[in-house]
This record gives sequence, structure tokens and C-alpha cells, in this order.
Amino acid sequence: QKEVEQNSGPLSVPEGAIASLNCTYSDRGSQSFFWYRQYSGKSPELIMSIYSNGDKEDGRFTAQLNKASQYVSLLIRDSQPSDSATYLCAVNSGYSTLTFGKGTMLLVSP
Amino acid sequence: DADVTQTPRNRITKTGKRIMLECSQTKGHDRMYWYRQDPGLGLRLIYYSFDVKDINKGEISDGYSVSRQAQAKFSLSLESAIPNQTALYFCAIDRGETDTQYFGPGTRLTVL
Repeated sequence: QKEVEQNSGPLSVPEGAIASLNCTYSDRGSQSFFWYRQYSGKSPELIMSIYSNGDKEDGRFTAQLNKASQYVSLLIRDSQPSDSATYLCAVNSGYSTLTFGKGTMLLVSP
Repeated sequence: DADVTQTPRNRITKTGKRIMLECSQTKGHDRMYWYRQDPGLGLRLIYYSFDVKDINKGEISDGYSVSRQAQAKFSLSLESAIPNQTALYFCAIDRGETDTQYFGPGTRLTVL
């Protein structure tokens, strides 16, 4: 069974700080990695995708991938209260399907 | 995602009833998916389809069936609903961008 693990949180950070969200996965053959943001009662919204080892930056968001350690992370710089949400890590699990982690709740306090 | 619509958005039904949830997309994407989300359990794949004649079971297909009536429509049915099928149901599409999936607005289903 392919697994994606995330700390459920909540992760609490003050406004303006860096939030660091982490994810580990079990399938060494995975090639595609995604971070989704989900507000309560809403649908998941794609934030970042990453396919190669290293960092990928998009605005305040940076995704980091380390395939050797089977680890992917999301950094949110200058965190805002509007970033308060659950962040889902997803990993491709073959046949164009994704396996999702259970999500980490992020709370950004003003 | 504006490409994907789901109906109904909310539904309350009773145990034993047959329920159909519908998903439509406007852009002609081949790959469509149904997920359910339960508190603490994350998103779990129910069924997925790569075209009208290619339908596959996901992790938790028991108690569910699907039909791909056309490329644009992918329906999920609960033949005899039970209370533990109370959940948020999401349809997703893959635009063909390296496994990237985009989600519809979801249907909140309550089975009493």
C-alpha cells in the first residue's frame, strides 16, 4: 500500500513568519509531487507541483523535494492569516492516480 | 476549478435510497476521478476513468458504481446508501499536465 504521511497539526505560526510543512512518501518510484490548499468545506486547490530534486519557488511558496529521503516540503514565507487552511500533500501512485496525505492544518495568527 | 461542475452541491437522503452524484467538465479532458473525504481520513479514490470505455476501481470502490456517459460526464452512484457513506465527494479532472488534478466544488452527502 502506497502511503503519504503528514503531521496533522495544527501548525501554528505568527503572521509574517515562515511556515514549514512536511510530507514523506513510501513509493520510491513516485515521480510527481503536489501541494494542495483546502479551506474548510471547500475543494482542494493546487498550489505547487514539483518533479525534480531541489527547490521550486512560486511567489511566497517554495516546494522542496528530496527523492533519496522520500521527502517533500512546502515553505510559506511571510505567512498571512489567509494562509490558514489544511495543506494536502499528494504523490503520483501509478496509472495517473494520486495518493493523498491526510493533510496538515496551518493556523496563522495576526 | 471552473472546468468542473458537480451536482447536487448538498444532498440529504435516507438509508437504502439510491443516489447519483454528477460531474461535468467543459474542456474535453479524458481523465476524470471521484474521491470521498472524511474528517481525519483525507481524500480517498473511489473510481477513475480515462475515457468512456476505460473505468477503473480505486481504493474504496465497494458500495459505489460509476458511469461515463460521455467524455464530459462522469457519474457516481450509491445503489443503497448507508450512513457511513456520509462524506464530502469530489470530482477531479486531469488536464494532461503530468498527473496534475483539478477539483470540482464538491458535494456534501448526508445519509440518515
